[in-house]
Amino acid sequence: AQSVTQLDSHVSVSEGTPVLLRCNYSSSYSPSLFWYVQHPNKGLQLLLKYTSAATLVKGINGFEAEFKKSETSFHLTKPSAHMSDAAEYFCVVSEVPGGYNKLIFGAGTRLAVHP
Amino acid sequence: GAVVSQHPSWVICKSGTSVKIECRSLDFQATTMFWYRQFPKQSLMLMATSNEGSKATYEQGVEKDKFLINHASLTLSTLTVTSAHPEDSSFYICSARVSVNTEAFFGQGTRLTVV
Repeated sequence: AQSVTQLDSHVSVSEGTPVLLRCNYSSSYSPSLFWYVQHPNKGLQLLLKYTSAATLVKGINGFEAEFKKSETSFHLTKPSAHMSDAAEYFCVVSEVPGGYNKLIFGAGTRLAVHP
Repeated sequence: GAVVSQHPSWVICKSGTSVKIECRSLDFQATTMFWYRQFPKQSLMLMATSNEGSKATYEQGVEKDKFLINHASLTLSTLTVTSAHPEDSSFYICSARVSVNTEAFFGQGTRLTVV
């Protein structure tokens, strides 16, 4: 069975400083991995996805993530945080490799950005 | 990008009544729709997967007679919470996709409060 573990439930950064949200995955085969963002009382927006192409994936709003098979990690980073980045972030693995069937969500990381 | 719309955005109902939540794909035909439940400050839990024209597949522990799902057309799926109780209060989110290897787009969610 596939699963994801988000290592931090809360992350707090100052505006303009780097963001690092950590995610480790468990999978029996090559996974498809995603990062979604959820603003309060809103639906989810896809930030980026990894589906066995380039290991460094660039997403929207300046976010990127690197797939490291040896470390079973897919950490999300951004060089400089903006106030608008404050939200809940979910690391997600797809149960079907290469596809979007049955997404398994991590517990989420709440990102706070301070002035 | 593709748009998925949920209606209503929020609803308050009395215990014992039923509530219907609609999920529409506005600019694409969705062969599959997913229904998730999110408790406060928690992650999304998949409730069921529905394919157009067939019965929904429910996840373990989800009562199919309580959470009725209908996917009658390629652009509409409904979730009906029957005989609602306060413990059914939650944030319900749907997602829709064209096919198994395409991205699933999320609705904005429906906050249900049962009093």
